[in-house]
Amino acid sequence: AQKITQTQPGMFVQEKEAVTLDCTYDTSDPSYGLFWYKQPSSGEMIFLIYQGSYDQQNATEGRYSLNFQKARKSANLVISASQLGDSAMYFCAMREIGTASKLTFGTGTRLQVTL
Amino acid sequence: NAGVTQTPKFRILKIGQSMTLQCAQDMNHNYMYWYRQDPGMGLKLIYYSVGAGITDKGEVPNGYNVSRSTTEDFPLRLELAAPSQTSVYFCASSYPHLGGGPDGELFFGEGSRLTVL
Repeated sequence: AQKITQTQPGMFVQEKEAVTLDCTYDTSDPSYGLFWYKQPSSGEMIFLIYQGSYDQQNATEGRYSLNFQKARKSANLVISASQLGDSAMYFCAMREIGTASKLTFGTGTRLQVTL
Repeated sequence: NAGVTQTPKFRILKIGQSMTLQCAQDMNHNYMYWYRQDPGMGLKLIYYSVGAGITDKGEVPNGYNVSRSTTEDFPLRLELAAPSQTSVYFCASSYPHLGGGPDGELFFGEGSRLTVL
């Protein structure tokens, strides 16, 4: 069974608009962490934001925020005021306790920001 | 601070050849990982290590071997390369995750693109 599901293979958003990238996860572990990484066309993996399962508040980092709905097991990434440089692949990933900090990745969403 | 360094960045192999992808980190991280990324897909874990002398299989270990003789280095060996091993390989490292918080964030190398023909 998929542990991390990203159902949007591709998304388009206009510059300066907000966009939400979906991520659902599956775990029976009460303690886990959720990550979002950005992969531009150059190929490197860039850490964006983290949410712990016990965190009471949704994580925010600049224009990135994580809409964490624990009961629904969803961890959607919200990018506000999109910029052309946001065009990239975005990966959601999960770390479960006791797994040597291994991350399990989703299949990614390709975001294209248009003028 | 170099972070995680992978070499080579690009390589073309013939079927049946062997090679080693090198990975070194200078952050004194205990944990190191090898992932592969097939076109249009997410990353899949090949092998990981929690410290020198300790390695373990990930999700897709077949056709690969690793060793961890020092904290800094974690080479990935491909024996008898096959076209199915054409992929981009990422090495990553992290501190141990000891509790809540983003500790345990993975730091990635720039990737090594391997083509097997």
